[in-house]
Amino acid sequence: KQEVTQIPAALSVPEGENLVLNCSFTDSAIYNLQWFRQDPGKGLTSLLLIQSSQREQTSGRLNASLDKSSGRSTLYIAASQPGDSATYLCAVVRNFNKFYFGSGTKLNVKP
Amino acid sequence: DGGITQSPKYLFRKEGQNVTLSCEQNLNHDAMYWYRQDPGQGLRLIYYSQIVNDFQKGDIAEGYSVSREKKESFPLTVTSAQKNPTAFYLCASSKNTGINEQFFGPGTRLTVL
Repeated sequence: KQEVTQIPAALSVPEGENLVLNCSFTDSAIYNLQWFRQDPGKGLTSLLLIQSSQREQTSGRLNASLDKSSGRSTLYIAASQPGDSATYLCAVVRNFNKFYFGSGTKLNVKP
Repeated sequence: DGGITQSPKYLFRKEGQNVTLSCEQNLNHDAMYWYRQDPGQGLRLIYYSQIVNDFQKGDIAEGYSVSREKKESFPLTVTSAQKNPTAFYLCASSKNTGINEQFFGPGTRLTVL
């Protein structure tokens, strides 16, 4: 069974810092990988999706990379802002429509 | 606006009652999903449906039931057989073709009194 791990569970940084969130998975036979943001008490908002044939995707200050061979993905956030404070979850997709989620990294960006 | 709606936002259930959570989408997506989220944990799949009138059990289907009579709707019933139903419930949908990006509703928080 696919296991998805996100480390660290929580992260606190000062505003303006560049940071990296990590996602690791045990089975490299994935269809794609999706990064989400979740604000307290809210649903998940899709940030980036990387297909298995891709190495990275970028959207604004966010850059996600994928290394299937090592079972790792990273989400890079440039010039962090207090509004980036949220929980970030990664989901690995197998067999097209089976999504396996990590437990998330709770990010706090201090003004 | 295209999107996924869930209702109610908050739901309280007494012991022994069945309750139904609503999920509607107007994204024309074929696939729909129900997840359960507990504090500090990732999402766990309850049921999913790839097409109307068809659905499959996820990892924690016991004590739950679903129906998929319309493409737009995928209601979840939490039965009295579910021993620990207090949680945050999230509905999602995806195209089920191509890239298959998943989109989520705002969630329903269920509390058992």
